[in-house]
Amino acid sequence: ETGVTQSPTHLIKTRGQQVTLRCSSQSGHNTVSWYQQALGQGPQFIFQYYREEENGRGNFPPRFSGLQFPNYSSELNVNALELDDSALYLCASSYTGIKSYEQYFGPGTRLTVT
Amino acid sequence: AQRVTQPEKLLSVFKGAPVELKCNYSYSGSPELFWYVQYSRQRLQLLLRHISRESIKGFTADLNKGETSFHLKKPFAQEEDSAMYYCALSGDSSYKLIFGSGTRLLVRP
Repeated sequence: ETGVTQSPTHLIKTRGQQVTLRCSSQSGHNTVSWYQQALGQGPQFIFQYYREEENGRGNFPPRFSGLQFPNYSSELNVNALELDDSALYLCASSYTGIKSYEQYFGPGTRLTVT
Repeated sequence: AQRVTQPEKLLSVFKGAPVELKCNYSYSGSPELFWYVQYSRQRLQLLLRHISRESIKGFTADLNKGETSFHLKKPFAQEEDSAMYYCALSGDSSYKLIFGSGTRLLVRP
């Protein structure tokens, strides 16, 4: 069983640029959730994708967008980067069916905006 | 508002001492509560969830709806329990997790 993977591991961008982060879900999972974890804080829910559509969104502006592909992998895109976007971005995959199942987290992508 | 509060940033205990990591939540419906753990250099992983009523690695947590709490307890701490612990809730159909800010548990020899 392959776990959740994320790429890249680290990324440095300049304010105003755009960034794409990638996530491969665990085998058998059909749902991907993205979280932002600022230093010293718990993860904050950004949005979730199920069957290639957004299925719930947290309190993040529209410049945070995502995609889910037919193989259930996912991308997180952030436009017009701001300094406060510097954080660890976590992807979690799960199986959505009749009941909720455990979310499995990836190792994260560390984004630094200068 | 949906919120999870972990009042302690750091909890330091000696090996063999009891541990209680506090978690309080605010949610208007019937939430599902979780404890996640992150060991050094490892990814975030589920420790336990209230609906399974299991004891994992000697840890237990009871949901107290009257006090809106879900404290994590272990009678005898081990050095390998040192980690970052996050309490989280899930309350709606999107299954999103709302996390607390975490408590670092340090178990001294």
